[in-house]
Amino acid sequence: DGGITQSPKYLFRKEGQNVTLSCEQNLNHDAMYWYRQDPGQGLRLIYYSQIVNDFQKGDIAEGYSVSREKKESFPLTVTSAQKNPTAFYLCASSKSGTQQSAYEQYFGPGTRLTVT
Amino acid sequence: GQNIDQPTEMTATEGAIVQINCTYQTSGFNGLFWYQQHAGEAPTFLSYNVLDGLEEKGRFSSFLSRSKGYSYLLLKELQMKDSASYLCAVWYLRAAGNKLTFGGGTRVLVKP
Repeated sequence: DGGITQSPKYLFRKEGQNVTLSCEQNLNHDAMYWYRQDPGQGLRLIYYSQIVNDFQKGDIAEGYSVSREKKESFPLTVTSAQKNPTAFYLCASSKSGTQQSAYEQYFGPGTRLTVT
Repeated sequence: GQNIDQPTEMTATEGAIVQINCTYQTSGFNGLFWYQQHAGEAPTFLSYNVLDGLEEKGRFSSFLSRSKGYSYLLLKELQMKDSASYLCAVWYLRAAGNKLTFGGGTRVLVKP
């Protein structure tokens, strides 16, 4: 079955440690995205990538880093510089182009990160 | 910015109808999505509107007025499983990069 996988579902880290969240898709989508969601809030865009080896900052990129070395993979690193890292992190992907299919994003199951 | 406003929470009775409104800034508008998100899960696609009018899909319908920067999601014959958050998201075309911007979500609670 095609889809997006994120692992692990729950992740716990100590303050001051960097942590990397994985995101893999086998939908052959060109574009991938990382969002952060806080309790009772909407989704905020952290980083996105339209093509391999290229990515752009979203609205809240500070304290995060990404890489896009393969089409299928878009890992997100939460660095110690991120002041409030505890949140629900969602990865998404979409086709490229100008049709609706390019705008519709498919989401992974999410990773809930808790930093203490 | 591209403020997208929707009510925080709504409560309705099983079998009833609920309408969730969404207003957005119109500059750069290129389409509007509604997603459903159950607690702790990923959002799932419900509907897409790019032209004015009503799109009906079973018990769910979505309406768009581009000139007014307004959309609504209509949930009919409510079921307990419809208790979830509903996210309004707008695709904006921007020189700095096209992106999907989400509203804060409307939490719908369906009561027996």
